[in-house]
Amino acid sequence: QKEVEQDPGPLSVPEGAIVSLNCTYSNSAFQYFMWYRQYSRKGPELLMYTYSSGNKEDGRFTAQVDKSSKYISLFIRDSQPSDSATYLCAMSAAGETSGSRLTFGEGTQLTVNP
Amino acid sequence: EAEVAQSPRYKITEKSQAVAFWCDPISGHATLYWYRQILGQGPELLVQFQDESVVDDSQLPKDRFSAERLKGVDSTLKIQPAELGDSAMYLCASSQGSLEYFGPGTRLTVT
Repeated sequence: QKEVEQDPGPLSVPEGAIVSLNCTYSNSAFQYFMWYRQYSRKGPELLMYTYSSGNKEDGRFTAQVDKSSKYISLFIRDSQPSDSATYLCAMSAAGETSGSRLTFGEGTQLTVNP
Repeated sequence: EAEVAQSPRYKITEKSQAVAFWCDPISGHATLYWYRQILGQGPELLVQFQDESVVDDSQLPKDRFSAERLKGVDSTLKIQPAELGDSAMYLCASSQGSLEYFGPGTRLTVT
């Protein structure tokens, strides 16, 4: 069983829809949770990160972490065609000032149709 | 805005040949990572450096892959000899803490 599970999709939605992307994990040591966006043939771009449980909002994006359920989500409101990309969840057990390897999900491919 | 630089962006090589990739991390970032990403999958760590020292190379196929970061700044990843199964995107990332920032990657095709 993989440490991080992510629904690979693909996910296709109409413009303006609310999108929910999810990951589950098994390692209770994970403390930092990130979402990366990756456009085709590009490197992953850090979108949002959260520490421990809770919510974090940035514009149209909201990241949620539920450590008791080992479940994280990324919500995109008012989705736009420019949001079409692969979204990768990633997790780390490291502290804020020490580097540690990230464990990635497989990525969910999202297409937002005009 | 500071970015991680990688070169080349694309590389086509024949199997059994040697190939090398270069990475220049964000200035001041002590930790550097090399990942391999197969199409349709998430990145998988190959090697992690803290300054010039390797701290994790458990997933690096050491019979054919090597990595160095001699002065603790830029880094080189080498494959010799390349095999068909090495075709993938090779990503470099750097971090100060837990937030990793990725370069644009090198897409390798082995024929």
